[in-house]
Amino acid sequence: AQSVSQHNHHVILSEAASLELGCNYSYGGTVNLFWYVQYPGQHLQLLLKYFSGDPLVKGIKGFEAEFIKSKFSFNLRKPSVQWSDTAEYFCAVMRESTGFQKLVFGTGTRLLVSP
Amino acid sequence: DADVTQTPRNRITKTGKRIMLECSQTKGHDRMYWYRQDPGLGLRLIYYSFDVKDINKGEISDGYSVSRQAQAKFSLSLESAIPNQTALYFCATSDSRVSGSYEQYFGPGTRLTVT
Repeated sequence: AQSVSQHNHHVILSEAASLELGCNYSYGGTVNLFWYVQYPGQHLQLLLKYFSGDPLVKGIKGFEAEFIKSKFSFNLRKPSVQWSDTAEYFCAVMRESTGFQKLVFGTGTRLLVSP
Repeated sequence: DADVTQTPRNRITKTGKRIMLECSQTKGHDRMYWYRQDPGLGLRLIYYSFDVKDINKGEISDGYSVSRQAQAKFSLSLESAIPNQTALYFCATSDSRVSGSYEQYFGPGTRLTVT
């Protein structure tokens, strides 16, 4: 069973549309949460991360994500997407129970933004 | 200038051949990781190393071996390549000395094709 779930595998939006990508995980206990982005032909880059504190975290390029502990969710949002946001987005979880040693990735969501 | 480099960037090899993928980093990080990325499966951890004398298997280590020659170098070997090892391979690093920071930094990837 996939421990980090990204339910949307492909998303197509027009420029200026709002974006929300879902991420759910199935671990109990304390977790650290990440969103990475992979632009076409490039390596993974960190968009944002949550360790503790304010559950609404802001990242680069206007992205934000909200940690809802009761729902085991960490959804990624952007109010208005641009063509340059076309990329694959990965949610990842790191568990305190493993000493925060390993990242477990979701399967990714491929976003296509049409101009 | 890249902090995490991988060589080669692309490689085509034949079934049964031995191949080594190399990763070097100038970030001074102590932890290094090898992942493979397959379409629809996200990134999966192959091996990870917390220092030169500490090597650990990830979730998909069968058919692979690693060597941590120095703190800055972490090599992945396929002793006898098979077609289902065709994938994009990423090296990553992290720094355990930075309190509360578990961010991993990724290299540009090696695209490996086994025919």
